[in-house]
Amino acid sequence: DSGVTQTPKHLITATGQRVTLRCSPRSGDLSVYWYQQSLDQGLQFLIQYYNGEERAKGNILERFSAQQFPDLHSELNLSSLELGDSALYFCASGRLDRGTDTQYFGPGTRLTVL
Amino acid sequence: AQSVTQLDSQVPVFEEAPVELRCNYSSSVSVYLFWYVQYPNQGLQLLLKYLSGSTLVKGINGFEAEFNKSQTSFHLRKPSVHISDTAEYFCAVTRDDKIIFGKGTRLHILP
Repeated sequence: DSGVTQTPKHLITATGQRVTLRCSPRSGDLSVYWYQQSLDQGLQFLIQYYNGEERAKGNILERFSAQQFPDLHSELNLSSLELGDSALYFCASGRLDRGTDTQYFGPGTRLTVL
Repeated sequence: AQSVTQLDSQVPVFEEAPVELRCNYSSSVSVYLFWYVQYPNQGLQLLLKYLSGSTLVKGINGFEAEFNKSQTSFHLRKPSVHISDTAEYFCAVTRDDKIIFGKGTRLHILP
């Protein structure tokens, strides 16, 4: 158990819909990272937040957005869903160690878009 | 731009045999290196990391990796694998707060 929690574990929805994925980082970790994992694209970094502020952006679509709240939990919002958005979405929380974050991953949310 | 190459997409190995999963990175500056494992239907779990110091890094579950700066490699090894090591293994490199993952290597343990 990494100490990172994600809800829900599974999500099934239809094209065009909007969903929100939630992540709670490990106690004391200030960074939250979001990733998408699919069979064809592999593990793709989406976005990072640090103490409430956006820190880095990866391959995140404009239809997707995220935020980190004062209690440090984070939400990833996916809108106008398409079939290709079906994937595993992971969040990771990061702790600074000798100049870099070590990331600890949550169990993931499996999103299925029908 | 830095990148991570995992040379083998799949590695079959017999139970109790040794295994090496290869990882090469491209960077002309100092990097931080990680190996993660993903068991079926689970998230990624940190196996080990190299941040500084000794180039031989020991991780969980009997795995170790050696940082080789001249060959820009960070290969993962285990002297004797078990069926429970069946998983996908990801090498990752960070620099300037950006982490890049390799495409992963599936380890198949043969009975």
